[in-house]
Amino acid sequence: DQQVKQNSPSLSVQEGRISILNCDYTNSMFDYFLWYKKYPAEGPTFLISISSIKDKNEDGRFTVFLNKSAKHLSLHIVPSQPGDSAVYFCAASERFQGAQKLVFGQGTRLTINP
Amino acid sequence: SQTIHQWPATLVQPVGSPLSLECTVEGTSNPNLYWYRQAAGRGLQLLFYSVGIGQISSEVPQNLSASRPQDRQFILSSKKLLLSDSGFYLCAWRRRDEAFFGQGTRLTVV
Repeated sequence: DQQVKQNSPSLSVQEGRISILNCDYTNSMFDYFLWYKKYPAEGPTFLISISSIKDKNEDGRFTVFLNKSAKHLSLHIVPSQPGDSAVYFCAASERFQGAQKLVFGQGTRLTINP
Repeated sequence: SQTIHQWPATLVQPVGSPLSLECTVEGTSNPNLYWYRQAAGRGLQLLFYSVGIGQISSEVPQNLSASRPQDRQFILSSKKLLLSDSGFYLCAWRRRDEAFFGQGTRLTVV
């Protein structure tokens, strides 16, 4: 049962344009959402997060939007740069049995073309 | 500052052999700890998480087990590895709205 889904395995964007990565979830108990960036053979690095009580959070070139009614979140990167090429994971957090259970999507490989 | 150490970085093990991957966290106390696996072409699958010493929650039934003998130590084990255990294993700890990952262990079962 995949509670967090990233339906696009890959995305290719021209340098300087906007990259939009999407994520859907099914568990209404998730109270926090996070985006991570991952390079091969490395651990994921945190990018940006958003609480379920908000609908937008912005940090530099990165903006995350949350639509709770649609159970959908997206990450916007603008302008896109070649160094943004990586696999992006969305994650959702739920307090369960005293712990913050953190569940990830399958990831989307973003390629920024020069 | 908080850091997370995970070792070894790469490991090649024969089928049926045991496994022990270790993860330690520095600079924090009583962290939530996690083990994830990234198999080829798949996302990050949550395997185990722990809220404290000796407290382990398992997400999926499988050939692996986890233990937390100390507050900042989390161990992933197997008595007999299967070919399907190959993958990239990641340890993580959680602080408020962020999770921090180790560098990962590439396990190849042959």
